[in-house]
Amino acid sequence: NAGVTQTPKFQVLKTGQSMTLQCAQDMNHNSMYWYRQDPGMGLRLIYYSASEGTTDKGEVPNGYNVSRLNKREFSLRLESAAPSQTSVYFCASSENEGFTGELFFGEGSRLTVL
Amino acid sequence: EDKVVQSPLSLVVHEGDTVTLNCSYEVTNFRSLLWYKQEKKAPTFLFMLTSSGIEKKSGRLSSILDKKELSSILNITATQTGDSAIYLCAVGKVNTGKLIFGQGTTLQVKP
Repeated sequence: NAGVTQTPKFQVLKTGQSMTLQCAQDMNHNSMYWYRQDPGMGLRLIYYSASEGTTDKGEVPNGYNVSRLNKREFSLRLESAAPSQTSVYFCASSENEGFTGELFFGEGSRLTVL
Repeated sequence: EDKVVQSPLSLVVHEGDTVTLNCSYEVTNFRSLLWYKQEKKAPTFLFMLTSSGIEKKSGRLSSILDKKELSSILNITATQTGDSAIYLCAVGKVNTGKLIFGQGTTLQVKP
């Protein structure tokens, strides 16, 4: 039972390079989220997708784009990476946007931008 | 602006001690407050609280919400080294799946 799977787990980029973080869930959840976690700042929402075909900005969307490819997959793209985007990224899913319960998290992707 | 604040930010205790972690919030359209435990990787769900004054309990962990004071506490009794983790508090808002997280409390339990 995989739950939420993120790839890659680790990535080192140079400033200005682009990359895409992939996320897939096998729980038939409608809503999916991308968070970043920085020391002392908890988790901050980058983008979310309430349902297939919709996306919306969170607290810190600048420098990122997302694609909800289908119900299972939600990708996060950094078009031109900056050192300020060095962070641990978590993908999460929930049953629906009405949110009656918990978020299920992937194991995280550690990104370093040099 | 919505805000969730946890205290203390870090805590070191010895096995067997009891700890209390605090979470306060200023959030419009409050729906629920959740506690997560994060060890090395993904946060794992502990509790969700929606009603004031009703304690939720799981083993040595318990939590309660005070909507009047806009706060919640997480208690851990008879701590063990396996309780060492970051404890995250998050608030959910009505009609949205977004969660607003606090900074987290890092708990270290020494043998």
